[in-house]
Amino acid sequence: DAGVTQSPTHLIKTRGQQVTLRCSPKSGHDTVSWYQQALGQGPQFIFQYYEEEERQRGNFPDRFSGHQFPNYSSELNVNALLLGDSALYLCASSLALGESPLHFGNGTRLTVT
Amino acid sequence: GQNIDQPTEMTATEGAIVQINCTYQTSGFNGLFWYQQHAGEAPTFLSYNVLDGLEEKGRFSSFLSRSKGYSYLLLKELQMKDSASYLCAVRSFQKLVFGTGTRLLVSP
Repeated sequence: DAGVTQSPTHLIKTRGQQVTLRCSPKSGHDTVSWYQQALGQGPQFIFQYYEEEERQRGNFPDRFSGHQFPNYSSELNVNALLLGDSALYLCASSLALGESPLHFGNGTRLTVT
Repeated sequence: GQNIDQPTEMTATEGAIVQINCTYQTSGFNGLFWYQQHAGEAPTFLSYNVLDGLEEKGRFSSFLSRSKGYSYLLLKELQMKDSASYLCAVRSFQKLVFGTGTRLLVSP
């Protein structure tokens, strides 16, 4: 039973560029949430997708956008990258809008130079 | 507003017991979770409390008092592999709000 998978594992971009991160949820899960984790901090909620729609959003600018596909996989897009966007981006899946515990992927480490 | 507080760092000795506290003030509450995160790895689910009281799961127990906005994670018979960050998270309107995490160092 595959858990949550994310790609790529590491990424280096320069300021101003755009990046797309991908996530496949755990088998049987239909809800995907994205979190940003800076070094030494707890994960910060970016947004949550269910039935291909953004259902909730944290305190992140519009440069952060996402998508969920019919197979429940999801993408996180960040435009106009800033140095402060350097972080570990975690995807988490669950059943039914987070009613079950979140299962996390291993994350994508994004470095913006 | 959302505020979750936990100690930044704790140290303990192998075989001992350690209690990691978490206090929270959130708009909306639908359960409290504890996750373990080893350096460079994904957080893994440890425990969940939605009603007041103690939940026991092997060497790990978690307690919740909703009236006090307080939880703790109790780790018994500490092992070296328990060295990790422990994240307290509150489910608020179907999303998880995390604290900054407590880094636990277990020494021989």
